[in-house]
This record gives sequence, structure tokens and C-alpha cells, in this order.
Amino acid sequence: DAGVIQSPRHEVTEMGQEVTLRCKPISGHNSLFWYRQTMMRGLELLIYFNNNVPIDDSGMPEDRFSAKMPNASFSTLKIQPSEPRDSAVYFCASSLGGADGELFFGEGSRLTVL
Amino acid sequence: GESVGLHLPTLSVQEGDNSIINCAYSNSASDYFIWYKQESGKGPQFIIDIRSNMDKRQGQRVTVLLNKTVKHLSLQIAATQPGDSAVYFCAEKRHGQNFVFGPGTRLSVLP
Repeated sequence: DAGVIQSPRHEVTEMGQEVTLRCKPISGHNSLFWYRQTMMRGLELLIYFNNNVPIDDSGMPEDRFSAKMPNASFSTLKIQPSEPRDSAVYFCASSLGGADGELFFGEGSRLTVL
Repeated sequence: GESVGLHLPTLSVQEGDNSIINCAYSNSASDYFIWYKQESGKGPQFIIDIRSNMDKRQGQRVTVLLNKTVKHLSLQIAATQPGDSAVYFCAEKRHGQNFVFGPGTRLSVLP
């Protein structure tokens, strides 16, 4: 079975540009999480959806970040405008069982903002 | 590899030896714990989990020990192999709340 699928795997962009990261969770999973991983802060939860509804977005850094989940099989994380400090690896994870289930991670999207 | 802490604790072990990776967790109310393995260029991958009503759980070549008194979790890997080289994270959670991940430990397997 396919795991969590993320795209793009790598993105290099210039400061000020819009970045859109995409995620397809595992079919049947009802929860989706966006994490950011950096050298300084490790893995940080940005936002969490349950049944396509955002439940906790307290980890979203600021208004430049937004996330959507229009249906059970697709989510986007958008950064507009991007800044160099947004450079990180962004992971999407899904689970079955809301906040209590094991997390299955995608391979990540490595973002570099110049 | 992917971005992990510059100052990650590193454990170096000889191939074939046993490895013990430790984690101190923060919330005494946490009731579910997972160990994840992250290889270079990949996402974290589930290894083994344990609930707070247990103090030990065994998998294939791995054992997790939980000491709730001192809020300590450990991962033991038997007969460590080169493919075990990775960063290992512990994650804790409390029912209804999200996972909190530790900073990770880098395991390096020496030939």
C-alpha cells in the first residue's frame, strides 16, 4: 500500500515567492498533520486536521503560513511570501484514530528559500 | 541527510553489539510513547510503541523500557547492524493531545 505521499521532494525558491507543499495521506486515515523539522528546533507540529477540519493550528508560525484540506485525500501547506528562515524539511503525517493514533510520515519536502 | 539537531547526542556502537538509546520525557501525564527511526533523507518511521500500563515491550530485535517513576524511556537494539544507523526519536503523548517529539539521538554503527 502507498504511504503518505508528499510533493515536491525538494524546492528551491527566492525570498518573497509563494510556496505550496502537497500531501496525500494514507487512504482511510482520518487525521493529517503538518510538521516542520529544522536543525535548531527539531520536529515541530504546525497544524493538525481531523476529518478534514483544522483542529489545532497553534504551531503555525504566522499569517504567512496557511493550510487546507479540501477533502480526505489531499492537503496543502502554503507559505506566502516565503522567507529564508522558512527553510526546513516539511513533513506530512497521517493517522487513524485522531490524536491517539500512530503517525505515519511521508518522505518530506525539503524547502530552501534563498 | 535531513535537518536534525547540530548538537544531537551521538551513540557509536560496534556492529553486533547491543545499543541502548535513552529518552527523558517531560509530562508525567503522558500515557503513550513511540520510538521512531529517521534515516537520512527519509521521514520518521515507527519502530515500537508502549502504553503507560506497561513497563516493557519487545519487538523484533528491539525492546522498549518505560520507567514512569523517573519519566524515562529507553530503546534497546540487539545485535546492532549497519542498517540501524539513523536518528532515533522518542515521542510522548497524553490522550487527546498531540505527540511531543524529543530532540533525537544519532546512532552510528561502526564496522
